Amino acid sequence: SQTIHQWPATLVQPVGSPLSLECTVEGTSNPNLYWYRQAAGRGLQLLFYSVGIGQISSEVPQNLSASRPQDRQFILSSKKLLLSDSGFYLCAWSVPEVAIRGYTFGSGTRLTVV
Amino acid sequence: RKEVEQDPGPFNVPEGATVAFNCTYSNSASQSFFWYRQDCRKEPKLLMSVYSSGNEDGRFTAQLNRASQYISLLIRDSKLSDSATYLCVVNQPGNQFYFGTGTSLTVIP
Repeated sequence: SQTIHQWPATLVQPVGSPLSLECTVEGTSNPNLYWYRQAAGRGLQLLFYSVGIGQISSEVPQNLSASRPQDRQFILSSKKLLLSDSGFYLCAWSVPEVAIRGYTFGSGTRLTVV
Repeated sequence: RKEVEQDPGPFNVPEGATVAFNCTYSNSASQSFFWYRQDCRKEPKLLMSVYSSGNEDGRFTAQLNRASQYISLLIRDSKLSDSATYLCVVNQPGNQFYFGTGTSLTVIP
C-alpha cells in the first residue's frame, strides 16, 4: 500500500534562518506531488506541484522553493524565513489519473517562525 | 471570484441532527469533486468522492449539481465524532485541485 511520510512534525525557526522540509512517498511510482500551506484559520494554499523528477511548478511567488531530486521525494526550502511563513505545511501525492482517487496528504509540519 | 466557495460556518448542531453543507465552484469544466474532513491540527483526509448520480456512504450523502455548479454533503444522525472541518475540493482540467476554505461543524451532546 502507498504511504506518505513528512517530517519534522513541528518546527520553530528564527526569522532569517533556512528551511528544509522533506516528503517521501512509498508504494507508488511517478506520483504527482504537491506542497500546500494552511495558515491559521485559513484554507489550503497550493505552493508547488510536480509531475516528475526536476519538474516543479510554482503557484504563488514567495521566498520558498521546491525540488524533486528523486521520483518519490519532494523538498520544500527557504534560504531566509519570514514571519509570514508560519503555518501548517502539507505534502500530498496523487496518481496521475487523479480524477477518482483524489489526494492523500502527509501528516504535516507545523512551522512557527519567531 | 474564488474557484471554490464554502460557507465557513460554524455549524453547531445537537447529536442526532441532520446537517447539510454546500459548496459552489466557478469553472464549469471541473471534472471531479471530493469532500475531505480535517480534524483540528491534523491533515485533511478524503471522506468521499462526489459522483454525478449522487452517492451515499453510511450516514453521509454527497450530491453534485453540474447545472448550478455546486456540490453538497449531507450528514444524518450526527455523532460527536463528526465534529471537524469539512473541505470541498474540485479538480479542474490539468489536474489542478482547488480547496474550499472549509466548513466547521461541532456536534453538541
